[in-house]
Amino acid sequence: GIQVEQSPPDLILQEGANSTLRCNFSDSVNNLQWFHQNPWGQLINLFYIPSGTKQNGRLSATTVATERYSLLYISSSQTTDSGVYFCAVEGLTGGFKTIFGAGTRLFVKA
Amino acid sequence: GAVVSQHPSWVICKSGTSVKIECRSLDFQATTMFWYRQFPKQSLMLMATSNEGSKATYEQGVEKDKFLINHASLTLSTLTVTSAHPEDSSFYICSAREEISNQPQHFGDGTRLSIL
Repeated sequence: GIQVEQSPPDLILQEGANSTLRCNFSDSVNNLQWFHQNPWGQLINLFYIPSGTKQNGRLSATTVATERYSLLYISSSQTTDSGVYFCAVEGLTGGFKTIFGAGTRLFVKA
Repeated sequence: GAVVSQHPSWVICKSGTSVKIECRSLDFQATTMFWYRQFPKQSLMLMATSNEGSKATYEQGVEKDKFLINHASLTLSTLTVTSAHPEDSSFYICSAREEISNQPQHFGDGTRLSIL
């Protein structure tokens, strides 16, 4: 099945800093989503981005489907950005199955 | 927008009991839903694909007799953890998506299961 790798696994930032999270996937995808998991376990959908670039406030994402990677940019980080960020992909085969990467654990210091 | 509702949010029960978790698509129909399991500080691992009107498809290593899945309608899938033991304690999350092109997966808020 499709493999999803995220980097870095852990990231510590000073408040106000910018960061880039990366997601590599091993095969063509039908769908790619970025999530932020809050301390209660809820998955907050950040972007649905199988290709192209999207922006939402301080966050933006780019997926280059032909090169099988996606990037999540966080600008002017805030302490509330802390948490785990997951990339999840749905392959072209497998009937809508969505597979998660291992996640990036972000901690933003005040 | 599309919403997936999961119930209960948390449950604590004694070892040996069976626990049922419900997953509902509130404003769309889903012939396929998915169940995930997440251990502390780990990622979400796909357990099984729930298929409306037919048997679920389980991922390798998941015991189908331990985790019973029923998808009796186009808006409801249930996961029953049978004869639960402490090692079954985990966070369980379901997902579904509208089955038209270019739609994201929608996830429930999860169920935190603790077996004493």
